Amino acid sequence: KQEVTQIPAALSVPEGENLVLNCSFTDSAIYNLQWFRQDPGKGLTSLLLIQSSQREQTSGRLNASLDKSSGRSTLYIAASQPGDSATYLCAVANDYKLSFGAGTTVTVRA
Amino acid sequence: DVKVTQSSRYLVKRTGEKVFLECVQDMDHENMFWYRQDPGLGLRLIYFSYDVKMKEKGDIPEGYSVSREKKERFSLILESASTNQTSMYLCASSSITGVIQPQHFGDGTRLSIL
Repeated sequence: KQEVTQIPAALSVPEGENLVLNCSFTDSAIYNLQWFRQDPGKGLTSLLLIQSSQREQTSGRLNASLDKSSGRSTLYIAASQPGDSATYLCAVANDYKLSFGAGTTVTVRA
Repeated sequence: DVKVTQSSRYLVKRTGEKVFLECVQDMDHENMFWYRQDPGLGLRLIYFSYDVKMKEKGDIPEGYSVSREKKERFSLILESASTNQTSMYLCASSSITGVIQPQHFGDGTRLSIL
């Protein structure tokens, strides 16, 4: 059974600092890995999807890397802003189903 | 843009009631999913459906059933609601192509069972 871990559980940084969020998974036979953002009381918004054959994906200030062999992914958010405050979830697909981490809650202080 | 709509944002029901949560997607996706989200436990898959009238159990199907009579609509049914089913319920959909496509989520239904 796939286990997904996100460390740290919570993070607080001053505005402008770069954010580094970590995700690890136990079964490396994945199809893809997806990073989501969740605002309080809301659903999930997909940020980036990395296929198993890819090493990284970029979108604006966001960059996600994938090292499938070691079971790790990292989400980098450059020059953080207060609007980046949210919970970030990592999810891996071993088939059509996703296994989620518990998330990292980020607070960016103005 | 894909739109996944859940019929209620907030719902309060009583123990023993039969509860229906509805989800509709507008992108002709084959796959639809129901998750529940609890603090400290993350998202857990309840059921998913890969076609009309087809369903498969997820990780925590006990106490739930589902219905998919039309491609765009996937319903989650709590046969006899209990207080431990108080949770945030999230619906998602995805398409089937050569590679596994991202899942798109609705805004969630926060269900309270009293």
